[in-house]
Amino acid sequence: RKEVEQDPGPFNVPEGATVAFNCTYSNSASQSFFWYRQDCRKEPKLLMSVYSSGNEDGRFTAQLNRASQYISLLIRDSKLSDSATYLCVVNGAAGTASKLTFGTGTRLQVTL
Amino acid sequence: EPEVTQTPSHQVTQMGQEVILRCVPISNHLYFYWYRQILGQKVEFLVSFYNNEISEKSEIFDDQFSVERPDGSNFTLKIRSTKLEDSAMYFCASNARGPSYEQYFGPGTRLTVT
Repeated sequence: RKEVEQDPGPFNVPEGATVAFNCTYSNSASQSFFWYRQDCRKEPKLLMSVYSSGNEDGRFTAQLNRASQYISLLIRDSKLSDSATYLCVVNGAAGTASKLTFGTGTRLQVTL
Repeated sequence: EPEVTQTPSHQVTQMGQEVILRCVPISNHLYFYWYRQILGQKVEFLVSFYNNEISEKSEIFDDQFSVERPDGSNFTLKIRSTKLEDSAMYFCASNARGPSYEQYFGPGTRLTVT
């Protein structure tokens, strides 16, 4: 099983749609969880940290289910500017605390 | 808002040459990292650095690689003898509170080995 697994997409959605991304991780001892976004040929930018209680930042909601080793990201009212690759990122996924382990990313294309 | 900066933005080098990639982490950060991303692939961890020493390194980070914090602001990655397969985007990241917390990435250096 991959350390961090995501559906690569692409997800093509119209502006205003709600879209959900899922991610699973293999190491039950993983400690910290994040969603980053990456535009083409740019650096990963932190979107939000993910907490067990769930957290929301504007149109973005992240959920963590430790029992299922599952992380989700919900984007409501999609904007054209949301088009990017969304990276599920886990700290401690490989049993070491120092590094972030990235999924391959899910590509989102929001269209008019 | 403070940012991680990296130079150069693009480096072209010949196989076998040494390259040094430079990073200036955010000023009050204490933990520093290098990652790489080969075109079309996922971001991969190379090394973490704290208190002037390596905390963790991946299997990619072999004897050809080294890191240094030569002064109070710069953090460098040296590749001693570049190979074609070292061609990738190299990202520097930093954070203030340690590896369990969010890391902030620089814009990257695109390394092309010919």
